[in-house]
Amino acid sequence: ILNVEQSPQSLHVQEGDSTNFTCSFPSSNFYALHWYRWETAKSPEALFVMTLNGDEKKKGRISATLNTKEGYSYLYIKGSQPEDSATYLCGYPLIQGAQKLVFGQGTRLTINP
Amino acid sequence: AAGVIQSPRHLIKEKRETATLKCYPIPRHDTVYWYQQGPGQDPQFLISFYEKMQSDKGSIPDRFSAQQFSDYHSELNMSSLELGDSALYFCASSLSPSGNTIYFGEGSWLTVV
Repeated sequence: ILNVEQSPQSLHVQEGDSTNFTCSFPSSNFYALHWYRWETAKSPEALFVMTLNGDEKKKGRISATLNTKEGYSYLYIKGSQPEDSATYLCGYPLIQGAQKLVFGQGTRLTINP
Repeated sequence: AAGVIQSPRHLIKEKRETATLKCYPIPRHDTVYWYQQGPGQDPQFLISFYEKMQSDKGSIPDRFSAQQFSDYHSELNMSSLELGDSALYFCASSLSPSGNTIYFGEGSWLTVV
């Protein structure tokens, strides 16, 4: 993988169900992985910055794991609610010390009531 | 808490005109980033500044220029506008070093007609 890839691109989940999606990134020379939640017409909201292999971070019903050796991160949402509907972006600095992130296309999550 | 402020939020310009977008980072943040997101595309990194100096450069066209001022606000100047410049322009800020959370503004919508 040369860039950041997210899958699936779109996801429809029933309210109350749990879900997860993936961010894949180059496994060589890992520096950090950023997750953002982005609602339409709002700015992307920072969720997590993950730096260590095996990291697991949690914020309310949202959690994320990181596997730097195989180059992926999972974002989990437990008990989905309508307000979870958003696009979830992951971003990755390609170069150590680089102050820019390369973003995936995002996973657009829609929670059906 | 103060967030990243961008202005204007919406801008309509004609082809070949010039546009200037402004970004006011979170207080005490020393790094500013500019991203461009075209319709249906990933956010693409344009340029970043650290302590008023350009720190990283991405896919910024030669027709565009940017700078960070002594009060840390930044301006993105776009000249000879083309239809393809129509996009959402995000500004983001962070506190160095790299790896810290990057906070985004709400974006400035530029429409070139």
